[in-house]
Amino acid sequence: AAGVIQSPRHLIKEKRETATLKCYPIPRHDTVYWYQQGPGQDPQFLISFYEKMQSDKGSIPDRFSAQQFSDYHSELNMSSLELGDSALYFCASSGRHSPEQYFGPGTRLTVT
Amino acid sequence: GEDVEQSLFLSVREGDSSVINCTYTDSSSTYLYWYKQEPGAGLQLLTYIFSNMDMKQDQRLTVLLNKKDKHLSLRIADTQTGDSAIYFCAENGGYQKVTFGTGTKLQVIP
Repeated sequence: AAGVIQSPRHLIKEKRETATLKCYPIPRHDTVYWYQQGPGQDPQFLISFYEKMQSDKGSIPDRFSAQQFSDYHSELNMSSLELGDSALYFCASSGRHSPEQYFGPGTRLTVT
Repeated sequence: GEDVEQSLFLSVREGDSSVINCTYTDSSSTYLYWYKQEPGAGLQLLTYIFSNMDMKQDQRLTVLLNKKDKHLSLRIADTQTGDSAIYFCAENGGYQKVTFGTGTKLQVIP
């Protein structure tokens, strides 16, 4: 079965640079969620989109923005990167009215 | 608040049963989940339970929910070395964000 696809899988950036993470949900899933997982920590919710509209917002810094496109893929844009942004970034998707959130493999971002 | 707490570590012998416990505070939680994360890997949805249920069984996995005490447990029967991973309890109040627990590292001793 098709899963959530994230790209890139690994990304190394320097402080103050920008990064764009991409997420392709499972086919026919219309809701996308972004989570950040720091080393040794539990995943923290950043933001979600339903039918291309922002549906919920968590602890996402103002330096980050995200959007969902007409094909339901989503991008997380991160600017003015800081060392503390180094983490695993997960995207998850779910179908309409479904409580099942399926996670992608994650993008490991390292800021040096 | 939406705190979800778990014990940090559990060690069991191969073939024994494992029981991972979780407590949560949000009384409006609608769904409660168990996710498995292996080192360097993503989060695998193992099972979930609707808040009006008190038990769900899926092959070797049994989920018990005590809504009154806001306590959730995951029992893994006949634990195998491949079950070694971090197990996250999680909850949500609907079809929105999932709030994760601190994770329990399960070590299976051969």
